[in-house]
Amino acid sequence: NAGVTQTPKFQVLKTGQSMTLQCAQDMNHNSMYWYRQDPGMGLRLIYYSASEGTTDKGEVPNGYNVSRLNKREFSLRLESAAPSQTSVYFCASKPFPAGAQETQYFGPGTRLLVL
Amino acid sequence: QKEVEQNSGPLSVPEGAIASLNCTYSDRVSQSFFWYRQYSGKSPELIMSIYSNGDKEDGRFTAQLNKASQYVSLLIRDSQPSDSATYLCAVSQFNDYKLSFGAGTTVTVRA
Repeated sequence: NAGVTQTPKFQVLKTGQSMTLQCAQDMNHNSMYWYRQDPGMGLRLIYYSASEGTTDKGEVPNGYNVSRLNKREFSLRLESAAPSQTSVYFCASKPFPAGAQETQYFGPGTRLLVL
Repeated sequence: QKEVEQNSGPLSVPEGAIASLNCTYSDRVSQSFFWYRQYSGKSPELIMSIYSNGDKEDGRFTAQLNKASQYVSLLIRDSQPSDSATYLCAVSQFNDYKLSFGAGTTVTVRA
């Protein structure tokens, strides 16, 4: 099992450009998450999908959109990138939505630089 | 007030010593508590989870939970240079899909 995979690993964008970050998991997990991590701020939730067919906003959703394409895949789209979106983006998955005793499994991350 | 707060680092300890990391949380209904380790440039990985008051030991790691005081701590005994990393505290409410993370504490173990 590859676990949680993310593409690309690194991306440089110019202000105003758009891009989609891809995430896939092969663990048959129901819930998937997108986080951003900035220095000194820990992980902040952007969007999540409790189960296939549902998506919800997290703590910092502005400037982002998501698509839960199927049970395996959850993509994050930046329609018009801004320098404030320079960050490391992590995708995560979890077996079931409401099992609080289950942890999340993280992908390797995508480093995004917006100039 | 931030939901999850961790003691500010960086924390530098000599090899073989005990590293003590603290985390407080604001939501009294929180039920599940996790410690993640994150090496520089890597993704977080779970090292400990705890759900009941008291201590939980796993190898050189001990997690301590006190729900009345709303804090959770992580002790790393016999610290090794390989323990040098950022440690993230994460908290979840009962039946909640989401985790709330602290900002992390960076630990450096001096050889």
